[in-house]
Amino acid sequence: DAGITQSPRYKITETGRQVTLMCHQTWSHSYMFWYRQDLGHGLRLIYYSAAADITDKGEVPDGYVVSRSKTENFPLTLESATRSQTSVYFCASSPSAGPTDTQYFGPGTRLTVL
Amino acid sequence: AQSVTQLDSQVPVFEEAPVELRCNYSSSVSVYLFWYVQYPNQGLQLLLKYLSGSTLVKGINGFEAEFNKSQTSFHLRKPSVHISDTAEYFCAVIRMDSSYKLIFGSGTRLLVRP
Repeated sequence: DAGITQSPRYKITETGRQVTLMCHQTWSHSYMFWYRQDLGHGLRLIYYSAAADITDKGEVPDGYVVSRSKTENFPLTLESATRSQTSVYFCASSPSAGPTDTQYFGPGTRLTVL
Repeated sequence: AQSVTQLDSQVPVFEEAPVELRCNYSSSVSVYLFWYVQYPNQGLQLLLKYLSGSTLVKGINGFEAEFNKSQTSFHLRKPSVHISDTAEYFCAVIRMDSSYKLIFGSGTRLLVRP
């Protein structure tokens, strides 16, 4: 299917476990982003990637790890999940970094850490 | 530091009534401005954006927004809402010196009643 997809859509895990959220886009966009959405905070940028093998921190990177070995995939890993990481996670992609190019968002992953 | 303020967390309105969703921002540099909409259980979609030129911007689904530099505002308006407009609306900015980094407000839930 064309577009940007995220898996799983829902995930429940326990404190201390490792969790990986997947993001896949079919447009060959250079830029990809991970955001978390919490009540009262809107969306906050966790990590972004300008191209394969190029990643950088956003506003709230602590506790997260990303990789980008292929242009189309941008997985987000919580190495040791904590309750404060309970959130909705959105992946986005864009052809370039400029504001003239829209960021396209995936449907989100709702993560609950018990 | 820059910030985006959406003072109304929820706006209830009757179908076919006009609506205005407020957005104010603060930034030490000029910004680009955006409105995104999030329908239930979906990712964010771009409604409209202001990059330059006319301060009145028209977007999809009959929405428009007006950039007011002196009041640092970018309020979203629609003259007649439909039930299907029920969604969460996010205002966001990109600083002109940071290209990609979207900074979101906390969101306004528009609830359209019959």
